[in-house]
This record gives sequence, C-alpha cells and structure tokens, in this order.
Amino acid sequence: AQTVTQSQPEMSVQEAETVTLSCTYDTSENNYYLFWYKQPPSRQMILVIRQEAYKQQNATENRFSVNFQKAAKSFSLKISDSQLGDTAMYFCAPPNAGNMLTFGGGTRLMVKP
Amino acid sequence: DAGVIQSPRHEVTEMGQEVTLRCKPISGHNSLFWYRQTMMRGLELLIYFNNNVPIDDSGMPEDRFSAKMPNASFSTLKIQPSEPRDSAVYFCASSFTSGSSDTQYFGPGTRLTVL
Repeated sequence: AQTVTQSQPEMSVQEAETVTLSCTYDTSENNYYLFWYKQPPSRQMILVIRQEAYKQQNATENRFSVNFQKAAKSFSLKISDSQLGDTAMYFCAPPNAGNMLTFGGGTRLMVKP
Repeated sequence: DAGVIQSPRHEVTEMGQEVTLRCKPISGHNSLFWYRQTMMRGLELLIYFNNNVPIDDSGMPEDRFSAKMPNASFSTLKIQPSEPRDSAVYFCASSFTSGSSDTQYFGPGTRLTVL
C-alpha cells in the first residue's frame, strides 16, 4: 500500500500571513499527478491545486502554490495572504496504483482574525 | 455545469436495515470512486469503476457492501445489513481518466447514521 504522511495534524495562522503544510509520500508510479484538497466545515471536498509530476515548474493557483520535490517525494502547500475562508482540513493526495489516490490524514488549518 | 450529485444527503437507519446510496457522476467522466470518511480511519477508497466496470474493490470492507454502476450516469452503494460501525460520510467522486490519474471531483457526501 502507498503511504502518505501529513506530519502536522493542526496548524494555525494569522489572517494575511503565510503558512506551509507539509506532505511526504511513497509511490512506485512514475508519471502521475498529485493533489491538495480542502474540506471546510461544510464537508465538501474541494480541489485546491494539482501538480503534474513530470513538470519541473511548481504549480500555482492564485494564493496557493506547491513545493514539489520529486526525488524526496515531498509535496508541500503554501498559502499566502491567508483568509478566514481558508479555515479547513487540507488533504494531500498522491497517486496509488493507476488512477486511484491515497489521502493523507489531513491537516486542520485555523486562520485567526 | 452540475457537479457530482449524491442522494440522500443524510440517512438515519436502524441496525439490520438495507441502505442504498446513490451517485450521478459528472457527464462525460469515465471513472467513478466511492469513499468512506470516518474520524478513526480518515478517507478510504472503497471501490473504483472505469467505464462502468469495477476495477478495484479491495477497499470494500466486507460482503455486506456492494456497488453497481449499471450505466455511465448512475452508481449505487448498498449496505445490507447495516451495522452501527458503518456510520460515516460516504463520498462519490468522478473523473475523466486518460492514462495516469486525473482530477477527481467530489459530491457533497451522504452522512449515514446507523442506530
């Protein structure tokens, strides 16, 4: 089975500050995508950002960016200018076999005013 | 565009009863996934369909659980008989898959409570 480690069960950040959520994983896949999803209190799973493993450039989506280190199998999420609406559980999801994903245990992020 | 649709949104039932959860994937998607989320075990993949065919059901907990996908626009997850430990949020997700994994879009989930 593939493993995913999100080593920070809980984090907090002041509004407008920057926070980085870490994720390490193990996979035997070569060409793959990695994902970060957020789950706010509404429990809806929402895609935050996607990274293609064969691309050198780190993905960026507005205030969200990743630091992808393929050799180290590390995939961290940086949130800049944090907003109250960013309060949520964040899940890292690297690939399992084929088209399946393995979800980490999640990091609960609280953005404080 | 409509996203992934799940019904019901909430289900409360008594132990021993049959429960059927329903999912309509996004039109044009060819992969469908059923997940279960609990505090203890996090988000677990139960079963994965591609082009309506079950590809991996190794996450299905036991024979009480079954899933079908009779056509590209509908899937069901059935629990018979249900037990209190089946209480969880069940998510359906769909994607268009053309090789390596592609973005999965999740439905709103069904919160199941078995008394």
